[in-house]
Amino acid sequence: QKEVEQDPGPLSVPEGAIVSLNCTYSNSAFQYFMWYRQYSRKGPELLMYTYSSGNKEDGRFTAQVDKSSKYISLFIRDSQPSDSATYLCASNSGAGSYQLTFGKGTKLSVIP
Amino acid sequence: NAGVTQTPKFQVLKTGQSMTLQCAQDMNHNSMYWYRQDPGMGLRLIYYSASEGTTDKGEVPNGYNVSRLNKREFSLRLESAAPSQTSVYFCASSGSRTGIAFFGQGTRLTVV
Repeated sequence: QKEVEQDPGPLSVPEGAIVSLNCTYSNSAFQYFMWYRQYSRKGPELLMYTYSSGNKEDGRFTAQVDKSSKYISLFIRDSQPSDSATYLCASNSGAGSYQLTFGKGTKLSVIP
Repeated sequence: NAGVTQTPKFQVLKTGQSMTLQCAQDMNHNSMYWYRQDPGMGLRLIYYSASEGTTDKGEVPNGYNVSRLNKREFSLRLESAAPSQTSVYFCASSGSRTGIAFFGQGTRLTVV
């Protein structure tokens, strides 16, 4: 079992919809949880990160971590065509651990 | 604010040829990484350098070598390219204990 599992989609939603992207993880030592956005033919860019459990909001984006169920979520409100990209979740244990463990990514299309 | 710069952006090699992918970061980060990204496989770590003077194998190191030239630069070498090494290669760096990585724009390599 891969340590971070992510539904690859693709996911297609109409403009303005609320999008929910999810990952599960198996390593209890993970403490840092990140979301990267990757546009076609570009490198991944950091969107948000959270430490341990809880929520973090940044504009239309909310990252949520539930360590009890080992579940990571990214919500996008009022989705825009410019949000069309592949979203990758990633985790690591911090404390000097140098290796991020990535999900395979979910491809999102927001239709105007 | 260049961040992580990779060269070249595109390359076509014949089987058996060698080449070096270059990466430089200007964020004064200690750690640097090389990933490959293939359809359906997600991002896979090839090698990483936790700090200047050290390198370690990642998930898929076979067929590759790396050099941490100094704090800024980390190169990836393919000694004898094979078609299985056709991929998009990303360099990344991180500077904090969280392991949060910042990526370059990628090198698209085709081995024929």
